[in-house]
Amino acid sequence: NAGVTQTPKFQVLKTGQSMTLQCAQDMNHEYMSWYRQDPGMGLRLIHYSVGAGITDQGEVPNGYNVSRSTTEDFPLRLLSAAPSQTSVYFCASSSVREIVGNTIYFGEGSWLTVV
Amino acid sequence: AQKVTQAQTEISVVEKEDVTLDCVYETRDTTYYLFWYKQPPSGELVFLIRRNSFDEQNEISGRYSWNFQKSTSSFNFTITASQVVDSAVYFCALRNNAGNMLTFGGGTRLMVKP
Repeated sequence: NAGVTQTPKFQVLKTGQSMTLQCAQDMNHEYMSWYRQDPGMGLRLIHYSVGAGITDQGEVPNGYNVSRSTTEDFPLRLLSAAPSQTSVYFCASSSVREIVGNTIYFGEGSWLTVV
Repeated sequence: AQKVTQAQTEISVVEKEDVTLDCVYETRDTTYYLFWYKQPPSGELVFLIRRNSFDEQNEISGRYSWNFQKSTSSFNFTITASQVVDSAVYFCALRNNAGNMLTFGGGTRLMVKP
């Protein structure tokens, strides 16, 4: 998972609190995304970005906000945490220009519990 | 919309047995990319293989092999002579041609018993 750094690794929030999950990559990748992983449901796409200043919604965007002010950083914000947002969150990045690439690099995951 | 189905939610085998993990996908793209990832108990996602839709050659890497069949929209993964260290959740994933959507299957939990 070299190159994609997620923080924090573990976090406990109270319902209604806000927080930001940080994600940074040093590979100059255009594409970055956030997923959540819930038991039996695989990883579901929350938001993604194809470059600085461009973001778009994925499969499960409600309750989350993102921004992409730089190529390197793609923070995920929970504005008012709910117990349904208890999950493991993964940030990912990749280059969309590689001819034979398209390999996606994942961070190590952030375990979030909302009580 | 694209979709990935891993019908086997959990598989249990005894060490040294061969095991095949199934993956079936749906997409309207003619060019797409398929992946397999391993998630060990420690939680991180480990890249195993990427396959382009225009390359139907099967691939073998040590004890791992992959069978890609466009005719049946399947990308199955076989572990030969399984080991306890293979115990993990395995995810199949599909990326669209535009590169902005990576869809995962629900995962298959593989338990290899000594």
